[in-house]
Amino acid sequence: EDKVVQSPLSLVVHEGDTVTLNCSYEVTNFRSLLWYKQEKKAPTFLFMLTSSGIEKKSGRLSSILDKKELFSILNITATQTGDSAIYLCAVPAEGAGSYQLTFGKGTKLSVIP
Amino acid sequence: SAVISQKPSRDICQRGTSLTIQCQVDSQVTMMFWYRQQPGQSLTLIATANQGSEATYESGFVIDKFPISRPNLTFSTLTVSNMSPEDSSIYLCSVVRAGIQETQYFGPGTRLLVL
Repeated sequence: EDKVVQSPLSLVVHEGDTVTLNCSYEVTNFRSLLWYKQEKKAPTFLFMLTSSGIEKKSGRLSSILDKKELFSILNITATQTGDSAIYLCAVPAEGAGSYQLTFGKGTKLSVIP
Repeated sequence: SAVISQKPSRDICQRGTSLTIQCQVDSQVTMMFWYRQQPGQSLTLIATANQGSEATYESGFVIDKFPISRPNLTFSTLTVSNMSPEDSSIYLCSVVRAGIQETQYFGPGTRLLVL
C-alpha cells in the first residue's frame, strides 16, 4: 500500500524566516509527487515533480525530489503571513493510468508577524 | 488550470437526511474524483466518477451511502445519504485534464455539518 509521510506536522515561524517541509514516500512504480497548499477548503496545486535533482521554483517557493532516498522537500523563503496554510504532499496510486492520489497528513504552517 | 465550481459551498443538515453536492468544470476533463476531508485529517479518496457508468469506490465507501453520478464530461454529483454527525467533513471534487496527466485540480469544496 502506498504511504506518504510528512514532517513536521506543524510549524510556527516568524515573517522572513525560511522553512523546509519534508515529504517521504513509499510507492511501487513511482511516477510523480505533487505538492498542494490548502488555505481554507480547496487544495491549490503548487508543483509536480517527476525527476530527481531538478528544482522546481515559483517565486519564493521551490521544491526538489530525491528518488533514491524517496523524499521531497518544499522550501519557502522570506515567509509571509499569507503563506500560513496546510501544505499537502501526494503521490498517484500504483498502476499505469491510475490518477487517484494518496495524501500525507500535511504540515500546518503558521507565519506570525 | 480548470475552473471548477461546487454547490453548495456549505450546509448544515439534520441527521437522517441526504445532501447532493454538484461539481461543474469549465471544460471537458478526463477524470473526476470525489474526496472527503474529515476535521483535522488529510484528504481521502471516496470514488472515481465514471462518465456514463457506475463510479469506482475505494475501500470503506459504498454506493448506497455515497451515490455518484457523472452524466457528461463536465459535471458530477455526490450524494451523502442518511447522514450522521460522522459525515461532517469537507467534500471536494477534483479533475484531471486530458493531456495534463496526474496533476489534479480541486474544486472549492463543500463544508458539511451534520447535527
